[in-house]
Amino acid sequence: GENVEQHPSTLSVQEGDSAVIKCTYSDSASNYFPWYKQELGKRPQLIIDIRSNVGEKKDQRIAVTLNKTAKHFSLHITETQPEDSAVYFCAAMRGGSYIPTFGRGTSLIVHP
Amino acid sequence: KAGVTQTPRYLIKTRGQQVTLSCSPISGHRSVSWYQQTPGQGLQFLFEYFSETQRNKGNFPGRFSGRQFSNSRSEMNVSTLELGDSALYLCASSLGDLPGQGAEGYTFGSGTRLTVV
Repeated sequence: GENVEQHPSTLSVQEGDSAVIKCTYSDSASNYFPWYKQELGKRPQLIIDIRSNVGEKKDQRIAVTLNKTAKHFSLHITETQPEDSAVYFCAAMRGGSYIPTFGRGTSLIVHP
Repeated sequence: KAGVTQTPRYLIKTRGQQVTLSCSPISGHRSVSWYQQTPGQGLQFLFEYFSETQRNKGNFPGRFSGRQFSNSRSEMNVSTLELGDSALYLCASSLGDLPGQGAEGYTFGSGTRLTVV
């Protein structure tokens, strides 16, 4: 089955810095890669996603890049703000599946 | 449009007891998945139901079971509770009718926080 590795497990940055979270996946048939943000005490919410036919996708301060050859994808957050502090989960999903496989999460802490 | 509703929000049980958690999906969603979330372990997949049938299952002992009703609402049951079952239990719903359609609409509920003492 699919295996998703996510790094780092904790990331501490100063407000205004950029943050990058990386994930690798094992199943070359995976073709959909969503990212979820879970604020303390709240539900995970989808913040951005990318399909395997696209190399990069941006939405304001967040972007996701995908390298199919290397089987890794990354979340980039620019100009971080304290409200970006949360746990971020990456996931991978292959064409024949109904269930995404999640990484273990990255706790992002943005210091004011 | 109502979101995914989980009840109750909090539960405290003692070891050996059993517990039932409930999840009402978004209207029109027929797939309901359950996850266990503990600190440092991320989201561990329990099982997924679609049209009242368990379609996918994770690596959890048989003490964890579930079912889905004709209205797509789902329940999860844990029998003979252990201290290690203390966790946040999340359910997520999606259309679930076509494989590989991604997780669009894969929406999580707020979870049930279970504490076993």
